[in-house]
Amino acid sequence: GQNIDQPTEMTATEGAIVQINCTYQTSGFNGLFWYQQHAGEAPTFLSYNVLDGLEEKGRFSSFLSRSKGYSYLLLKELQMKDSASYLCAATFPDKLIFGTGTRLQVFP
Amino acid sequence: DTGVSQNPRHKITKRGQNVTFRCDPISEHNRLYWYRQTLGQGPEFLTYFQNEAQLEKSRLLSDRFSAERPKGSFSTLEIQRTEQGDSAMYLCASSPPGTMNTEAFFGQGTRLTVV
Repeated sequence: GQNIDQPTEMTATEGAIVQINCTYQTSGFNGLFWYQQHAGEAPTFLSYNVLDGLEEKGRFSSFLSRSKGYSYLLLKELQMKDSASYLCAATFPDKLIFGTGTRLQVFP
Repeated sequence: DTGVSQNPRHKITKRGQNVTFRCDPISEHNRLYWYRQTLGQGPEFLTYFQNEAQLEKSRLLSDRFSAERPKGSFSTLEIQRTEQGDSAMYLCASSPPGTMNTEAFFGQGTRLTVV
């Protein structure tokens, strides 16, 4: 299988840092995407990791450990507009599989 | 290019009716995916095309579901004899040629309600 697991919900305060974890089964694994999805909208691309390590892109960073089947998305200086679902998605040889998403609520 | 386009945006149908959705991917994108998403869940993979070839089909897809991409451009997803459990957002995504490690771009989806 290609089970992808991430927490269902998280809450955080405006200005804080939050880390959203994702684990996946490593068999056939290729690379790891993070998408953001606001309610009622299509997912939009945030980041992609294929090599181990941290990829930084402004307030958002993503980390991958291939050997551990583990990734996280780090959001810094949280803003109210960051309230959304964050989807971890892994590529396997012939498809892109999503986790159930983590719904993040940012409070003032 | 206006991105991935899906039609219709909303569809309400009676149980037992057939429905067909259309997806127009971004030009030159040879990979096309269909997903289904219900409230509070991530997108569930349904099927995947590379050009006109349907390379993968989820076991979630019963024989009431069929997808085509006849000329390797637009795709259609048909659901026959709809059931209330088919109510969901149906998302289409496309990605360009190359490795699988390229970003997939999503359309706005077709929201199906079966009454």
